[in-house]
Amino acid sequence: QKEVEQNSGPLSVPEGAIASLNCTYSDRGSQSFFWYRQYSGKSPELIMFIYSNGDKEDGRFTAQLNKASQYVSLLIRDSQPSDSATYLCAVENYGGSQGNLIFGKGTKLSVKP
Amino acid sequence: GAGVSQSPSNKVTEKGKDVELRCDPISGHTALYWYRQSLGQGLEFLIYFQGNSAPDKSGLPSDRFSAERTGGSVSTLTIQRTQQEDSAVYLCASSSLGARETQYFGPGTRLLVL
Repeated sequence: QKEVEQNSGPLSVPEGAIASLNCTYSDRGSQSFFWYRQYSGKSPELIMFIYSNGDKEDGRFTAQLNKASQYVSLLIRDSQPSDSATYLCAVENYGGSQGNLIFGKGTKLSVKP
Repeated sequence: GAGVSQSPSNKVTEKGKDVELRCDPISGHTALYWYRQSLGQGLEFLIYFQGNSAPDKSGLPSDRFSAERTGGSVSTLTIQRTQQEDSAVYLCASSSLGARETQYFGPGTRLLVL
């Protein structure tokens, strides 16, 4: 059974701090990795995707991928209260059923003013 | 064109009734997914359509649930003889093969079974 694991949180950080969200996955064949943000009562929206080992930066967001350790993370710099949401990690379901992405259960982030 | 659309946005029904939920994917997207999300829970995969291939129904929780996709575009998820435990948000997503499986979600249908 392919799995994507995330700490459910809540992760609480003060405004302006760096929030670090982590995700591990079981399928070594996965090549594509995604971070979605889901505000309460809303549907998930794509923040970033990463395909290669290393860091990928987009504004205040940095995705980090380490395929050898089967680990992907999302850093949010200068966290704002508007970043408070649940963050879902999704991993390509290489050669599997149940669609092309496996989603983690999400980490709830709370940014305190 | 526009993003994924779903209708209705909210549905209240009585236990035992049948409901139909509709999803209109992004134009040109060949893959379409249905998920269910109960309050405070993660995404539960239900069914996946890819082009003209047979759908992957491995996530459907019971034979009361079925889905079809007509003409490779619009999809309908049908729940027969609804139960209270079917109450959840039903999310549809679509993706394009050329986009490394990035899924784009619709706003969801909030189903409440009384």
